[in-house]
Parts: sequence; structure tokens; C-alpha cells
Amino acid sequence: DAGVIQSPRHEVTEMGQEVTLRCKPISGHNSLFWYRQTMMRGLELLIYFNNNVPIDDSGMPEDRFSAKMPNASFSTLKIQPSEPRDSAVYFCATAGGTGELFFGEGSRLTVL
Amino acid sequence: AQSVTQPDIHITVSEGASLELRCNYSYGATPYLFWYVQSPGQGLQLLLKYFSGDTLVQGIKGFEAEFKRSQSSFNLRKPSVHWSDAAEYFCAVGAEGGSYIPTFGRGTSLIVHP
Repeated sequence: DAGVIQSPRHEVTEMGQEVTLRCKPISGHNSLFWYRQTMMRGLELLIYFNNNVPIDDSGMPEDRFSAKMPNASFSTLKIQPSEPRDSAVYFCATAGGTGELFFGEGSRLTVL
Repeated sequence: AQSVTQPDIHITVSEGASLELRCNYSYGATPYLFWYVQSPGQGLQLLLKYFSGDTLVQGIKGFEAEFKRSQSSFNLRKPSVHWSDAAEYFCAVGAEGGSYIPTFGRGTSLIVHP
């Protein structure tokens, strides 16, 4: 298996623009997590899906953030409009029921 | 609620020296415990995990960790550090059950001097 695949790896955009981050989970994994990592806050859980259903989105910072999982093989995290404070590395991770998380390589977002 | 504390933000060791990274957790029942490593520009990778049984667990890359219930700790150790071990290390605690959501510590940055 190719592992968790995230795109884009790097995104530079201007304040106010829409940003869409994508994740392809490992086949068969029924849990998917979106994390944000910054120096100030460390690793923050944004949202968690189980069997494509959002279970806990209490970590989503505000309404500008939204996440979807239309099927078992694809998820998106969208920021609209983006702000400089959204600059971070965003990770997608999946789990198959053993408790272990498998992380993608992350999407580094810079909002100017 | 579960929580994880990694008291050391940075640890510096010389290559070949032994290493111990500290992790303390707070959880009401028997936890699932994990150590992950993150190399620069990469995602987190599992080093080892504890679910039950033997409290000393072996992981990849020569790492081991010991679960001590009385101290609520799960410290990571390596007898001889290599320069390639320089990375960020995260301890995590999880819960048994359907709504598994792991909680991560803030991480410890390991610096290895030649």
C-alpha cells in the first residue's frame, strides 16, 4: 500500500483565497483524522471521521474551516477565506482499528 | 479527559550515549500508549505501542519503552543513540473503544552531537 497520500505538499496563497487540502487514506482504514501542526500549538486534532462520518469536529478553529469525506478513499479540508494565522503543516492520518495512526507527509500551507 | 505531558522540550545527547525521553499520562483506565517519531519534513511514524501484557515493549530502530502504572509513565529509551535519531518524538495516549481519539504530547526535540 502506498500509505496516506496528501496533496499538495506545499501551498502558498494570499490572504482571502480558498485553500483545499486533499487526503487519500490507506485502503481499509475506517478512521481518518486531520491534524494541524504549528510551533506555538504543537499537534492539534481538527476533525475525526469514522466510516466517512464526522464524529468530532470540536477542534475546527472556526467556520472558515470545513472538512468532508464523501467516500472511503478521499477527504478534503477546506479553508475559506484563508488568513495568515492559518499557516501551518496540515496532516491527514488514518487508523484501521489497532490504535496506530498512519500519517501522510503533510501539506505545508503558507498564507501571505 | 486524557492528557500527555512530555516535560522536556529539547534533549541533547552525544552520539553513542544512552537516551531516555520522559512521558507522563493522565487517564482513568488502562491506556493505550504510543511513541511516534517525526523527522524534518515528514509525518509521524510509529516507534512502538503498549496495549497490554509485558510492560517493556520493543520498537523499531532499537527503541524500547516501559509502562509504569504506578508512575503513570511511559518513558522511551535507547542504549546508544545514532546521529540519524535526531528528530521530534511524540508520546500519545489513546482509549479502548469505538471512538478512539489519541491525545499527543507537545513533543521532545532530540539533538545529537557527534
